[in-house]
Amino acid sequence: QVQLVESGGGLVKPGGSLRLSCAASGFTFSDYYMSWIRQAPGKGLEWVSYISTSGNTIYYADSVKGRFTISRDNAKNSLFLQMNSLRAEDTAVYYCARDRARASDCWGQGTLVTVSS
Amino acid sequence: DIQMTQSPSTLSASVGDRVTITCRASHSISIWLAWYQQKPGKAPKLLIYRASSLESGVPSRFSGSGSGTEFTLTINSLQPDDFATYYCQQYNSYSRTFGQGTKVEIK
Repeated sequence: QVQLVESGGGLVKPGGSLRLSCAASGFTFSDYYMSWIRQAPGKGLEWVSYISTSGNTIYYADSVKGRFTISRDNAKNSLFLQMNSLRAEDTAVYYCARDRARASDCWGQGTLVTVSS
Repeated sequence: DIQMTQSPSTLSASVGDRVTITCRASHSISIWLAWYQQKPGKAPKLLIYRASSLESGVPSRFSGSGSGTEFTLTINSLQPDDFATYYCQQYNSYSRTFGQGTKVEIK
């Protein structure tokens, strides 16, 4: 079955870095756009970034542009999010999601990132 | 950026009620709108894509309509499992924006 498993979350100090990973299985990873979406504690959903099948097309939310980098390794069925210059407002559960028909049809369970001194 | 405004923010309803949630876009997004359901502590679940297409496995009591800037999610005969928070999302522009969410509570 289709499965997405995020990892790499944790506690980091303001200004620090973290790299999230998302392991995909149960489908042909290289055929799908992929997204990162986050949710701050008690808040709504916020789209972060998406990447095309080949990685040639990438977009970011303004709130993370210049600090976060999305990438993928189709040979390893993996999606990544490199997060630099982290701020308290980046504290959230980060979900990876598969895109189909330009909607996110499958989501991981999420990984919590806490930015605090 | 395209802004998405959902209404109401909270909705109190009873089992068996017909419920309608509205999502308005700040600019036309054609039919590029999705609806998601999220329960506490869980990842969101896709319900509707392309404004009115029902995702496989989603009960037929859920339906979506609209185009351009105004969209609705309708739940016919609300069931106990439907008490949750619902989000719309536009994916017309290079950024993809969510609405702020509508919490459907038990009346």
